[in-house]
Amino acid sequence: AQSVTQLDSQVPVFEEAPVELRCNYSSSVSVYLFWYVQYPNQGLQLLLKYLSGSTLVKGINGFEAEFNKSQTSFHLRKPSVHISDTAEYFCAVTYPGSARQLTFGSGTQLTVLP
Amino acid sequence: DAGVIQSPRHEVTEMGQEVTLRCKPISGHDYLFWYRQTMMRGLELLIYFNNNVPIDDSGMPEDRFSAKMPNASFSTLKIQPSEPRDSAVYFCASSSSPSGTGYYGYTFGSGTRLTVV
Repeated sequence: AQSVTQLDSQVPVFEEAPVELRCNYSSSVSVYLFWYVQYPNQGLQLLLKYLSGSTLVKGINGFEAEFNKSQTSFHLRKPSVHISDTAEYFCAVTYPGSARQLTFGSGTQLTVLP
Repeated sequence: DAGVIQSPRHEVTEMGQEVTLRCKPISGHDYLFWYRQTMMRGLELLIYFNNNVPIDDSGMPEDRFSAKMPNASFSTLKIQPSEPRDSAVYFCASSSSPSGTGYYGYTFGSGTRLTVV
């Protein structure tokens, strides 16, 4: 079975600074990878996804992620964060064609400081 | 489209009472998922349906939990009797059948925050 590890539970960063949220996965077969964002008291919103093709994936709100198969990583980046990016971010993985096995990481709380 | 709609947004109930959470999926989506989010266990899949039929309920924690989907536009998750350890945020999500890539496009609702006192 696959698993997801988000290496940082909390990431504080100053406004307009760059940020990287780290995600590593383990799987013996091909996977699909996702980043979701959860704003306070709201549901999960898809930021971006990797299914195949280019390893650099661009998402909403200026975020991007890079799939690195050799390092089994899918780190999320943004070159300049805003106060409004304060939220919890979840990395998730599933197998192609699997409805059951969308596995989430434990989440990273990003706090953008003024 | 209004998205996945869950009700109520917040529920506070006393231990031992029955609780019913409701979900309306996106029209045309034929998969529906119930997730639970807690600080200790993160996001867990409880059960999912395909075309209103329960496919996998292995994540349902106990017999106190039950879920139904009487039609394509409505699902319920019921806890009877409720216990304080059931306090969590319960999310519903829906998706359409996968495309050729095998990708299920999940859309999540805003969740129901359940507090059992």
